[in-house]
Amino acid sequence: ETGVTQTPRHLVMGMTNKKSLKCEQHLGHNAMYWYKQSAKKPLELMFVYNFKEQTENNSVPSRFSPECPNSSHLFLHLHTLQPEDSALYLCASSPERVTGELFFGEGSRLTVL
Amino acid sequence: QQQVKQSPQSLIVQKGGISIINCAYENTAFDYFPWYQQFPGKGPALLIAIRPDVSEKKEGRFTISFNKSAKQFSLHIMDSQPGDSATYFCAASKGSNYKLTFGKGTLLTVNP
Repeated sequence: ETGVTQTPRHLVMGMTNKKSLKCEQHLGHNAMYWYKQSAKKPLELMFVYNFKEQTENNSVPSRFSPECPNSSHLFLHLHTLQPEDSALYLCASSPERVTGELFFGEGSRLTVL
Repeated sequence: QQQVKQSPQSLIVQKGGISIINCAYENTAFDYFPWYQQFPGKGPALLIAIRPDVSEKKEGRFTISFNKSAKQFSLHIMDSQPGDSATYFCAASKGSNYKLTFGKGTLLTVNP
C-alpha cells in the first residue's frame, strides 16, 4: 500500500459506544495530523504529532483521544460522542518541518446517532 | 485572528471557460499559500502553492495570483474541464509552522 490509509472508511456509532479510527502512512513522514471536516466549514486541525510526540491539541474535547505509537501509525479513540461530532475525519502526514505539504488519507466518515 | 476567507462557495463553469476562486487573509505573517483539490470520497490533495516573493505561479492550466498589499490570492483554472469538478480549498501558514489555516472551500462544477 502507498500513501495514507485510513480505516474504517465509514463508522456509525451510538453516543455511548467506544470506537477507534486508524491511520497508517507509507511515505516515511515524521509528522501526522488529525483534521475534522464538516460541511460548509474550514478543515479543523485537531491534533499534530511529530516524531510520535504530540505537539498540538487544538482545544479538542476529551472525548477524542489520539494515540501515536510510531511515526507510521495514528489512532483516534472515540468515546461518549455527540451527534454534532458526525463528520469526515481526515488523517494527514508531512515530512518534518516542511511547510504546508500535507498528504491526506481518504477519511473516515463518522455518524453519531 | 487567523482566518482565510474564500469565495465563492460554489461555482459553475462551462467546459473551456475560466474558473476563478478568491481568498483573502488577515495575518500578515502568513508566507505560504497552497491550494488543495478534493474529489468526492477522497482526501484533499495539494494542487499548487505560492510564496509571497512572487506575484504569480503557473502549473499547466492552474495559476495562482498573489497580491501581497491587498492580502489576497486567487486560483485561476484555464480551459476548465469536467474532470476539474471538485472542491477547492485555499490555505495559509507562516514560517516553518505547518499548521495550515484553511478556507471553507469552493465547489466547482464544470459542465460539458
